[in-house]
Amino acid sequence: DIQMTQSPSSMSASLGDRVTITCQASQDIGNNLIWFQQKPGKSPRPMIYYATNLANGVPSRFSGSRSGSDYSLTISSLESEDMADYHCLQYKQYPRTFGGGTKLELK
Amino acid sequence: EVQLQESGPGLVKPSQSLSLTCSVTGYSITSNYWGWIRKFPGNKMEWMGYISYSGSTSYNPSLKSRISITRDTSKNQFFLQLNSVTTEDTATYYCARGGHFDYWGQGVMVTVSS
Repeated sequence: DIQMTQSPSSMSASLGDRVTITCQASQDIGNNLIWFQQKPGKSPRPMIYYATNLANGVPSRFSGSRSGSDYSLTISSLESEDMADYHCLQYKQYPRTFGGGTKLELK
Repeated sequence: EVQLQESGPGLVKPSQSLSLTCSVTGYSITSNYWGWIRKFPGNKMEWMGYISYSGSTSYNPSLKSRISITRDTSKNQFFLQLNSVTTEDTATYYCARGGHFDYWGQGVMVTVSS
């Protein structure tokens, strides 16, 4: 199975901060990665497809990037509504595998 | 609009079977892929498997022979059965449209406890 190592597992940040979350893939997954946002009591919402493509309706402060086997989700200027859990998912190979998740909280 | 809704018991006894239904509206399950994903307490998520538009299935090997995903196309529903559950199967279970996981149900919390 492809292992997705996500970091950090939790973080606290202030409004307006630039925030970056990273997933490292244990094997080549190309750009076959999705970033999800999940708020308490809600289902996961896809934010970024194919590593870098913004999903419909997602604010432009969110972006995705790739450097080799490292994939990053960046929030350029944190807003209160961004407090949530974030997960990456690789869909290059079966079984699909998730990163361990990042809990983003307000400092 | 595509909508998915999970249903099933919220409490299952150890060694018994967990059975959930996902009802889909706004899109036919004879198109695309349809999957089950679970989220454990503590935030870890696991892809469990899918059933395809043709009825073929793919399962996470971690679940070995415990899992079965089936469907009823006449009702536009698909189903999850997980056998021989333990407390480690306690989680929130989601159904989702596979491929790009663009539509999800609201999730159903299942506790395995005697």
